[in-house]
Amino acid sequence: DVKVTQSSRYLVKRTGEKVFLECVQDMDHENMFWYRQDPGLGLRLIYFSYDVKMKEKGDIPEGYSVSREKKERFSLILESASTNQTSMYLCASSGGQGFYNEQFFGPGTRLTVL
Amino acid sequence: GEDVEQSLFLSVREGDSSVINCTYTDSSSTYLYWYKQEPGAGLQLLTYIFSNMDMKQDQRLTVLLNKKDKHLSLRIADTQTGDSAIYFCAERSRSSASKIIFGSGTRLSIRP
Repeated sequence: DVKVTQSSRYLVKRTGEKVFLECVQDMDHENMFWYRQDPGLGLRLIYFSYDVKMKEKGDIPEGYSVSREKKERFSLILESASTNQTSMYLCASSGGQGFYNEQFFGPGTRLTVL
Repeated sequence: GEDVEQSLFLSVREGDSSVINCTYTDSSSTYLYWYKQEPGAGLQLLTYIFSNMDMKQDQRLTVLLNKKDKHLSLRIADTQTGDSAIYFCAERSRSSASKIIFGSGTRLSIRP
């Protein structure tokens, strides 16, 4: 079974703090993604990576950065957390670009910024 | 641009059929998907359909694709309380084969 794990289920941080969200997958997938999920807005792509040290901006990259030093790990960084970054963050991974390209999701991290 | 739209809520009686509808904008989409998100969990692929198909059936699930109208639907027969979840329609991105564009999700609730 593919497993995507996220470092925390719940996180509470203060405005201005630097926040790290970690994601690890165990299926040797090339592609990894970070989304945020907000009610009524669905999933919005923040960043994705198709290889180690490679990254591409998604639809809402402002205020975020990412790091992919190893194939299995993709980190999302909030350099200076703000209240409008309170959200559910979902990590996903997928392998290759052929076939139907299923994305496998972690359980999510609910981040609250006070 | 690429956009996927679906209604936010659907309520059905237990035992009835549920039909969740979705429209998409990219006529060149190769794959379209339905993902399910149960409370407190991440998304899980429920089913997918390739663009050269009109229909796909898998046990209680039926997916219909109308390419002319860019309309996708998911029918769940004999809806059970365990079907309560958020259902996301999604399409494969034209700009990047590894990207998927998700709709806003339809929250399905079941009445006794």
